[in-house]
Amino acid sequence: AQKVTQAQTEISVVEKEDVTLDCVYETRDTTYYLFWYKQPPSGELVFLIRRNSFDEQNEISGRYSWNFQKSTSSFNFTITASQVVDSAVYFCALSPYTGANSKLTFGKGITLSVRP
Amino acid sequence: DADVTQTPRNRITKTGKRIMLECSQTKGHDRMYWYRQDPGLGLRLIYYSFDVKDINKGEISDGYSVSRQAQAKFSLSLESAIPNQTALYFCATSDPGQGRSEQFFGPGTRLTVL
Repeated sequence: AQKVTQAQTEISVVEKEDVTLDCVYETRDTTYYLFWYKQPPSGELVFLIRRNSFDEQNEISGRYSWNFQKSTSSFNFTITASQVVDSAVYFCALSPYTGANSKLTFGKGITLSVRP
Repeated sequence: DADVTQTPRNRITKTGKRIMLECSQTKGHDRMYWYRQDPGLGLRLIYYSFDVKDINKGEISDGYSVSRQAQAKFSLSLESAIPNQTALYFCATSDPGQGRSEQFFGPGTRLTVL
């Protein structure tokens, strides 16, 4: 069975602070995908990143960076110099790698509030 | 135009009514999904379909049914709505080709059952 734990439920920061959103997962699969999605106040779900389990390189995209550590089953997301527009609910998700079974298991989400 | 559309976007109904939520996609993906989102619970899978002839139950399918009318259309029905089905419902699609498995979501349907 797969499980995704986002232990932080709500985080509040002041603009320009750095913030890290934690994600810990459990799976019996040897290969799998990890994802982050953003849900702004408007409600839609926006895909941010996909990472496969055999690529442990960290990734940076502008102010966003992701730290994947297979040894600790974690896939953490850091926003550098946060902005008010980063205020949203962020979901971490997990799916098996094999295309025959691409169901996503989501964490419960972290609500990030960035204050001006 | 959006790749994944859902209608209606908002719906208020009464207990016992039959409700259908519709999803259409122009992405050409074979796989489609229905989720519900409740505050503090994340997204939970209701049903999924890997092609027109394939329908599968997710983790919370009781009280729901689906129909895959075509590759591009996947409808979710509540046969007799009850208040605890009040939630935000999302349709999603994916394309497993080339090892990709991220899902693309519609804008959501906010359903309130009184």
